[in-house]
Amino acid sequence: NAGVTQTPKFQVLKTGQSMTLQCAQDMNHEYMSWYRQDPGMGLRLIHYSVGAGITDQGEVPNGYNVSRSTTEDFPLRLLSAAPSQTSVYFCASSPERGLNQPQHFGDGTRLSIL
Amino acid sequence: GQQVMQIPQYQHVQEGEDFTTYCNSSTTLSNIQWYKQRPGGHPVFLIQLVKSGEVKKQKRLTFQFGEAKKNSSLHITATQTTDVGTYFCAALSGGSYIPTFGRGTSLIVHP
Repeated sequence: NAGVTQTPKFQVLKTGQSMTLQCAQDMNHEYMSWYRQDPGMGLRLIHYSVGAGITDQGEVPNGYNVSRSTTEDFPLRLLSAAPSQTSVYFCASSPERGLNQPQHFGDGTRLSIL
Repeated sequence: GQQVMQIPQYQHVQEGEDFTTYCNSSTTLSNIQWYKQRPGGHPVFLIQLVKSGEVKKQKRLTFQFGEAKKNSSLHITATQTTDVGTYFCAALSGGSYIPTFGRGTSLIVHP
């Protein structure tokens, strides 16, 4: 099993550009989530999904969209990139919502907005 | 939303010294998880605590859950350079199914 796979690993964008960060898991997990990690701020939840076709906002959703058309994939879209979105983005999955099972994280996408 | 406060933010230790990080909440927690993130890496699950007063050990790491289920700690005995990284707690208070992560404690071990 590959676990949680994120692509790309690194990306540089110009302000105003759009892009999609990909996240795929092969563990048949129902719960998937996106976090951003900034120095001193820990992991902040952007969006999450409790199953295919269901998504919801987390703590810092502005400027980001998500969709969950399949159990495996949970892409994160930046609509119009801003320098404030420079961050490391982590996708995570878990068999179910809640905290009864470990969260499995991808390797992250390091995103710079110029 | 629920706040999980983690202290300290940074801790410098000499190799061989002990290290402790604390996670505190103003509300009762259903359970708590601990994760470790190596520099440049991603968070990796370490352990989960569920019961009031629970203590679990993993080699030199000791995890505790408070009697009131409002705080937790991770203690490392005799730190090694391999312990370097950021330690996060993640908590879920009753009624919410969305985990909240603490801001993490970064451990720096000087050889």
